[in-house]
Amino acid sequence: KNQVEQSPQSLIILEGKNCTLQCNYTVSPFSNLRWYKQDTGRGPVSLTIMTFSENTKSNGRYTATLDADTKQSSLHITASQLSDSASYICVVSAGPGKTGANNLFFGTGTRLTVIP
Amino acid sequence: DGGITQSPKYLFRKEGQNVTLSCEQNLNHDAMYWYRQDPGQGLRLIYYSQIVNDFQKGDIAEGYSVSREKKESFPLTVTSAQKNPTAFYLCASSQGQGFYNEQFFGPGTRLTVL
Repeated sequence: KNQVEQSPQSLIILEGKNCTLQCNYTVSPFSNLRWYKQDTGRGPVSLTIMTFSENTKSNGRYTATLDADTKQSSLHITASQLSDSASYICVVSAGPGKTGANNLFFGTGTRLTVIP
Repeated sequence: DGGITQSPKYLFRKEGQNVTLSCEQNLNHDAMYWYRQDPGQGLRLIYYSQIVNDFQKGDIAEGYSVSREKKESFPLTVTSAQKNPTAFYLCASSQGQGFYNEQFFGPGTRLTVL
């Protein structure tokens, strides 16, 4: 069964600290993995997208890693800011199947709260 | 200013009423999608359209209907047949027709049934 699991479910950190969010998946065949940031009451915004051959991708203070062998990804946030408070969603896309097939699998997200 | 717009931001409905959520994009994207988001759950696909005048059911299409008469517009109607419609609804679009293409999301509409 194709699944995406994220941990922890929620996380509280002090401003300026670093944190790492985890994403494990069983989606096969694998096409790409994306991390989205979703502010409360808003739509998700893409942070990174990685294909099978990519191990690391950065976007400012956000660094995503991918281990396609173990089917794990992490999102590392450096020097956290209050504006980083949001839900972070891991989304895995399966390889092209039949035309029109739904091949996108969403995690339930990690709710990050950064406190002063 | 390119992007995806959804309206209204908040919507209240009485039981038994149909309501239509608007989604417009000026990104010239081929594909558009509707998702439902509930607390503690991942996004669930309601309907998607990969080309004008064509659309497909997603995982939870019952009680919903859509149309795709124009490339830039993909409205979602929540009918009285949807038994638990209170949720946050997200519209998305992508350049290509495959789900492996990056999706761009609108700001969402929060629907509450009174």
